[in-house]
Amino acid sequence: NAGVTQTPKFRVLKTGQSMTLLCAQDMNHEYMYWYRQDPGMGLRLIHYSVGEGTTAKGEVPDGYNVSRLKKQNFLLGLESAAPSQTSVYFCASSYSGYEQYFGPGTRLTVT
Amino acid sequence: GESVGLHLPTLSVQEGDNSIINCAYSNSASDYFIWYKQESGKGPQFIIDIRSNMDKRQGQRVTVLLNKTVKHLSLQIAATQPGDSAVYFCAENPRTGTASKLTFGTGTRLQVTL
Repeated sequence: NAGVTQTPKFRVLKTGQSMTLLCAQDMNHEYMYWYRQDPGMGLRLIHYSVGEGTTAKGEVPDGYNVSRLKKQNFLLGLESAAPSQTSVYFCASSYSGYEQYFGPGTRLTVT
Repeated sequence: GESVGLHLPTLSVQEGDNSIINCAYSNSASDYFIWYKQESGKGPQFIIDIRSNMDKRQGQRVTVLLNKTVKHLSLQIAATQPGDSAVYFCAENPRTGTASKLTFGTGTRLQVTL
């Protein structure tokens, strides 16, 4: 039982490049979330999903897209990376929508 | 807008002493609160949670207290150990919309001195 895993762990992008972050969970959770964490700030919700095939915007969705084609996977895409998207990205999943379990994070730097 | 905040950004505690980390919340409609621990370079780890129909909940060496009158949440760690050094976040579920989302505070760093 791996819990929540994230791929990749680190990535450096140039401005304008695109990439996809993969989140996978093996706990059969319905709810999945993508957050970003910046220094001195709490976790901010980017997008979330309440089940396979559904997505919704969170607090800071601009510049990101998501997809939940399979229940166990939640993908976060950056179509045209900007330096303001340099951050640590965390994925989380939840059975009930309350207690959330987090992955180890992806550290992204955009130059 | 509504937010979750913390009183102290850094707390230094001697090993063996008890730690108290405080959190103020502003959304009176919140029905669920949770504490996370985040060690350097890792994702947040669940510590303990509490629903709004309770005022106290205990776990292993940790206790969460909820005072709805003054909208205050605290995390108490008994006999603090070096392994407790981390950033601690409180979060609330503001019950907006149909899906449960958490609003996080900015975090308190707990430093355990020997």
